[in-house]
Formats: sequence, structure tokens, C-alpha cells
Amino acid sequence: NAGVTQTPKFRVLKTGQSMTLLCAQDMNHEYMYWYRQDPGMGLRLIHYSVGEGTTAKGEVPDGYNVSRLKKQNFLLGLESAAPSQTSVYFCASSYDRDPGPNQPQHFGDGTRLSIL
Amino acid sequence: GENVEQHPSTLSVQEGDSAVIKCTYSDSASNYFPWYKQELGKRPQLIIDIRSNVGEKKDQRIAVTLNKTAKHFSLHITETQPEDSAVYFCAAGGPYGNNRLAFGKGNQVVVIP
Repeated sequence: NAGVTQTPKFRVLKTGQSMTLLCAQDMNHEYMYWYRQDPGMGLRLIHYSVGEGTTAKGEVPDGYNVSRLKKQNFLLGLESAAPSQTSVYFCASSYDRDPGPNQPQHFGDGTRLSIL
Repeated sequence: GENVEQHPSTLSVQEGDSAVIKCTYSDSASNYFPWYKQELGKRPQLIIDIRSNVGEKKDQRIAVTLNKTAKHFSLHITETQPEDSAVYFCAAGGPYGNNRLAFGKGNQVVVIP
């Protein structure tokens, strides 16, 4: 049981390039999330998904797109990378108990992305 | 939306002393309050959580207290050890059917041997 796996772990891009970050979970979780973490800013939600085929905007969605074609995978795309998107990106997933109490989110190891 | 604030931003304690981190939240409907620990270069990991129907929860040297009236909750670490040095994040979640969390900006805890 690997939990939440993020690919790649590191990447350097040039301004204007595109790329996709992959998040995979093997816990059969319904909910998945993409965060970015910048120094002094905590974890900010980019997009999230409450189930296969669904996506929703979070706190800082501009410049990013996501897709959830399979329940176990959540992809984050940067169509035209900008230096302001240099960050550490974390994916998380959680079990669905709706209606019911919230469940903990489990995080991947992160992707360190630098945009020059 | 929910706004979560953490104080202080940095906390230094002598090994063996206690550390307390306080968080405030704005949405009175929030009912789930987890705490995450993040070591340098690692993923955030859940260390304890509390739900709004409980005022206090303990797990060995870690405890969390919740004051719903004042909309604040606190993490207490007793008998601190060097391995407790990390960044601690509090978060709040509400009954909105998406398990979404709003995170504070984090507290750097430094345990001095």
C-alpha cells in the first residue's frame, strides 16, 4: 500500500513550457486535492475533486487545470508555466463519508517545481 | 471562506519543556480541526485531530483543545524532544460535503537540546 504517490519529484521548466504533474492513490479515496506550498504561505488549495469525472476550483486556481479521469489519479497541468508558479506542489486524498464527519487528508511527498 | 490564523509563527523551547500553538478560525460551521507536522523536505503528516463535539483529545505527549465559543483551538506538546522540531500546521474543515480544509500558515517549533 503506497498511499499517495506523486510524479515527478523534481522538475525545472522554462517560462512558457507546459507540464503535467501526476498524483496516484491506492486507498480507494473519493476525494483528491492539489496544494501549493510557498515559504510563509502555508498550504493553499489549487483544485480538488470529489469523485471520478469531477473537479472544482480551490483558493488559487488561476494558471492551472486538472483532470480526474480515473478515481485513483488526479492530474495537475500547467499550460504555460510562469516564474510565479515556482513552488512545492502537494497532492492529498481523503475518504468519503458524506454525509458524515470529515476525514483526514493524506499527503504525497511533493513535487518541487522551478520555473526559470 | 474559512480563514485560519496561527500564533506564534516561531516558537523556541528548551528540551523537556512544553510547547503550545494556538489557532483561530472564522467559520462557525467548521467542525473538524486536524494538526499536521512537517519536517524539512518532507510531506505534512497528521499528528492529531479533533471534532467539534469534543473539547479535548490526547495522544501520548500531544493534546489538542477546542473552544468553539471563542473559535480557537490549540496544540499542546509536553516533554518536548529534539525530534519535535518541525513546522506545525493547523487546519479547519466544515460540513460542506467536500472534506476541504483551510490551513494556517504554519508554526516553526525549535526544540533546543
